[in-house]
Amino acid sequence: DAGITQSPRHKVTETGTPVTLRCHQTENHRYMYWYRQDPGHGLRLIHYSYGVKDTDKGEVSDGYSVSRSKTEDFLLTLESATSSQTSVYFCAISESRSLVLETQYFGPGTRLLVL
Amino acid sequence: AQKVTQAQTEISVVEKEDVTLDCVYETRDTTYYLFWYKQPPSGELVFLIRRNSFDEQNEISGRYSWNFQKSTSSFNFTITASQVVDSAVYFCALSGTNTGNQFYFGTGTSLTVIP
Repeated sequence: DAGITQSPRHKVTETGTPVTLRCHQTENHRYMYWYRQDPGHGLRLIHYSYGVKDTDKGEVSDGYSVSRSKTEDFLLTLESATSSQTSVYFCAISESRSLVLETQYFGPGTRLLVL
Repeated sequence: AQKVTQAQTEISVVEKEDVTLDCVYETRDTTYYLFWYKQPPSGELVFLIRRNSFDEQNEISGRYSWNFQKSTSSFNFTITASQVVDSAVYFCALSGTNTGNQFYFGTGTSLTVIP
């Protein structure tokens, strides 16, 4: 199993509070991703990183920010949580060879409930 | 354009039946990977298989088999003699030289195996 951990695994918070989710990897992979999964929507990409301090937006990035100061850590921050951000959040990692991304491995997920 | 389509939203089969999950993809890349992931009711996302665009050989792993056909842009997944433990949501995904550091996922097929 790929060494990916997410913390916290469960969180309940109130609307308007900031929340930070952490993804930690021990695989030294260059690429890291944050997805959210909601019923009926499959996996939707929030942000991703292609190296330390290199990040880019995904399709549902509004209301989220990310930071990657070390290869192994990728943080997702909800600046002011809203009920629409109640979801399951997955972190994933990948490497690339010959310009093509190889297998993406997922963390165990974080269940976030915003009241 | 890059796209993955899993037209079957939900499938139910009786235990021991064979079942095929369809995956159709669109890409203009000549070099790409196709993937299948399993998400059981416990929620984790488990990597099942990766296929390289240059390798059209079918793959068999126990009760699982995958049929990759470039002519029809399909990468179908068959479970033989299904079991209750096969009940899960299955995702097909694509990465290529022009997918912009991202993976493209289908919306998933929910498989229920009835005992």
